[in-house]
This record gives sequence, C-alpha cells and structure tokens, in this order.
Amino acid sequence: EPEVTQTPSHQVTQMGQEVILRCVPISNHLYFYWYRQILGQKVEFLVSFYNNEISEKSEIFDDQFSVERPDGSNFTLKIRSTKLEDSAMYFCASNRGVNEQFFGPGTRLTVL
Amino acid sequence: AQSVTQPDIHITVSEGASLELRCNYSYGATPYLFWYVQSPGQGLQLLLKYFSGDTLVQGIKGFEAEFKRSQSSFNLRKPSVHWSDAAEYFCAVGLNQAGTALIFGKGTTLSVSS
Repeated sequence: EPEVTQTPSHQVTQMGQEVILRCVPISNHLYFYWYRQILGQKVEFLVSFYNNEISEKSEIFDDQFSVERPDGSNFTLKIRSTKLEDSAMYFCASNRGVNEQFFGPGTRLTVL
Repeated sequence: AQSVTQPDIHITVSEGASLELRCNYSYGATPYLFWYVQSPGQGLQLLLKYFSGDTLVQGIKGFEAEFKRSQSSFNLRKPSVHWSDAAEYFCAVGLNQAGTALIFGKGTTLSVSS
C-alpha cells in the first residue's frame, strides 16, 4: 500500500540554523500539507499546497517558513532561522482532494 | 471559530471492556469528520471517516463512530478493547473543500489495563 514517507526521522539543529524537512507524498496525490505537533499538544495545521502554490496557510506559517515541490516527488518544508519554539514533530500529509489526508510518520525537530 | 473538543484527556479501560471516546465540534457547516490514532513515536493512522450518508460508520481495528448532528458529536466506540489499542486518539474535522486544513482536537490518551 502506498504511503507518505518523511526524512529525516529526527533532526537536531542549533537555534538560528536553517533546516529542510523532506516528504515524499503518495504518487497520485495532488494536495500536500504540513502539520506540526509540539510535545503534549494537539496537531496544528501549517500549510497546504496545490499546483505549485500555497492554497492555505495558518498564522503559524510566517515568513520563517517556506514550502517547495522541487521535483515530481518531493515536498519540502524549510525553516530559515530556527527558534527553540520550533521544536516539534512535523507531519507531512497528502490527498487527492476532498477526502482523508494520509500522514507520514513525522520528523522530530529538536532546536538547541 | 472552528474547533474540536475532546473532553477526556486520559482514559483507562480494562482489556475486554467497551470504550467510548467523545468528540464535539463547532463548525459553520456540516464538516467531514475523522478519527486518527497515534501510537508512541508513530504517525497518524486513519481509523474512520464520515462524509455523508449513514451516520454510523465502521472503521479499522473494530472501531465505529456515530455522527449526531443535533449534538455536534462524533464519538468513537469499540465493544471490546485490546491491549494493543493503547494509543492517543485524535478527532479531526475538515471542510468539504479540497486542500483545506484539518482541525484536530487535543487528543485522548487511552491506557488499557489487564
């Protein structure tokens, strides 16, 4: 069964550094999403992406964040200058449109 | 504002006992409704979903949920819990519109005692 994959599973970085989190959505899906889950808190939406454009973003998704689909398979989330409060589990998801979103296993980002 | 409430932070159930996890939502229209499960260190797995039609929906692993429009609820049930069901359960809502965000509740942690 096809699944969403994410790399790395765990990323440790220093405050102020740039990080890129990578995702490979399911191949015939059209919509891509990033969510984050701060430890002990609920899953929060960051951004959705369709046809090489952001279709929706939350207040969390400020200028420090960017997304890109650099090729036909990858979908990336970049955080330009990480802060301590960016430490969280980041989930990528994808779907074909109006149906359930399929989530990847997540990348745990630790900012020191 | 749209929101999802899961009033129970932590529930402990004996193995073999029945389970009900509560979910209430506040939404402008009839939403799409989902239950996801997250095992420790794992991603989110879809248990079941409601889009329209029969308000009692069946999911994987023996779970079911009932949509009650009048109560704005979508409670998750299982008649007999297994130790492997111990996990965190998230209720989520979404619009009938492609590419829109899912809004999650804070989750309910289920512990299963022997």
